[in-house]
Amino acid sequence: NAGVMQNPRHLVRRRGQEARLRCSPMKGHSHVYWYRQLPEEGLKFMVYLQKENIIDESGMPKERFSAEFPKEGPSILRIQQVVRGDSAAYFCASSPPETGGYEQYFGPGTRLTVT
Amino acid sequence: KNEVEQSPQNLTAQEGEFITINCSYSVGISALHWLQQHPGGGIVSLFMLSSGKKKHGRLIATINIQEKHSSLHITASHPRDSAVYICAVRSGSARQLTFGSGTQLTVLP
Repeated sequence: NAGVMQNPRHLVRRRGQEARLRCSPMKGHSHVYWYRQLPEEGLKFMVYLQKENIIDESGMPKERFSAEFPKEGPSILRIQQVVRGDSAAYFCASSPPETGGYEQYFGPGTRLTVT
Repeated sequence: KNEVEQSPQNLTAQEGEFITINCSYSVGISALHWLQQHPGGGIVSLFMLSSGKKKHGRLIATINIQEKHSSLHITASHPRDSAVYICAVRSGSARQLTFGSGTQLTVLP
């Protein structure tokens, strides 16, 4: 059973471009969480999704950021018009439905650099 | 004040030493996680606790719900244990985790 997959592992974007980060949860997992780790800071929650639904987006910046988890395919975190302050490591985690998020398995992260 | 406080922030030990990392939290929780993050690497979940104590190899995690405190112990530490150790809590009915700032552990040979 493959773990949580994230791609790309490293992403470089110029200011103003769009960044798309992908997360494929573990097989059978229907809950996905996105977390951000800014340089020299701790991890912060961004958004929690189930298949086709955003459950909690209280940690998402109000503008330029969006997330989806379609019925088929990976979860996508999209950042429009990136700025230097978006440079960070973005981690996703997944959990199976029956534990209600008690167990979370983390992906390797995507390191976004905005130049 | 952060909801999750870890101490110490940095810890240097000699190989073989017994290590303790502490985590205090200020909210009611339904679960506490200990995570390990290697430099440039991903995050590995070490333990998930809601009560008592868990042991895995040289790692031991304990939690005291009444005192809102958890500890991570490493026995017979080794240089490969060098990493950032992060405490995270799931509070109440929330699904997401709230993280401490991490403890940077360096074990010298």
